[in-house]
Amino acid sequence: GAVVSQHPSRVICKSGTSVKIECRSLDFQATTMFWYRQFPKKSLMLMATSNEGSKATYEQGVEKDKFLINHASLTLSTLTVTSAHPEDSSFYICSARATSGGRTDTQYFGPGTRLTVL
Amino acid sequence: AQTVTQSQPEMSVQEAETVTLSCTYDTSESNYYLFWYKQPPSRQMILVIRQEAYKQQNATENRFSVNFQKAAKSFSLKISDSQLGDTAMYFCAFMKAGYALNFGKGTSLLVTP
Repeated sequence: GAVVSQHPSRVICKSGTSVKIECRSLDFQATTMFWYRQFPKKSLMLMATSNEGSKATYEQGVEKDKFLINHASLTLSTLTVTSAHPEDSSFYICSARATSGGRTDTQYFGPGTRLTVL
Repeated sequence: AQTVTQSQPEMSVQEAETVTLSCTYDTSESNYYLFWYKQPPSRQMILVIRQEAYKQQNATENRFSVNFQKAAKSFSLKISDSQLGDTAMYFCAFMKAGYALNFGKGTSLLVTP
């Protein structure tokens, strides 16, 4: 139980285009989802906290107009990288905290999305 | 703000041996959780073990156990009977109840035959 999927797993796009990444909790409901960014051989950096039905909370230094987050249902959050540039290339990981159907004090992670901007 | 420190960037252990990964944290919170996550080359984050701060008993999960010293703010992970599949990056994480995870910088563990 407590499975989180992410789609796509890899994406390559041209500079200036937008990319949408989906994060789904498959067998539990998640009021709260988190988006992280990870550079090679580095730790996970929290970008934003996504709450179902309300605006996301962004960490300091993260541009909310560039990284659009939508959490429209209890099982789906999306991250859209708008007008992507090469410096946005990274590994993006989502996690979900169970509202029900899982441990509410534990985050379950998706497999990540590798974004490459040419 | 909470900080998590992992002082061992890299470690190596032979198969079947025991290894301990260190983690310290700093917080003024009383209600929190501590975790160890494993990230193998696939980069999928896998929960290894969790500990509630209010519990005095150290958590165990099969070959994995922790030494939780609340007063010292220390949370080390012991891996017994190490296996080749344990090779991964290990992250210690702190979570204030209801909030996001704060991760340490990680320890790269290599298990050798």
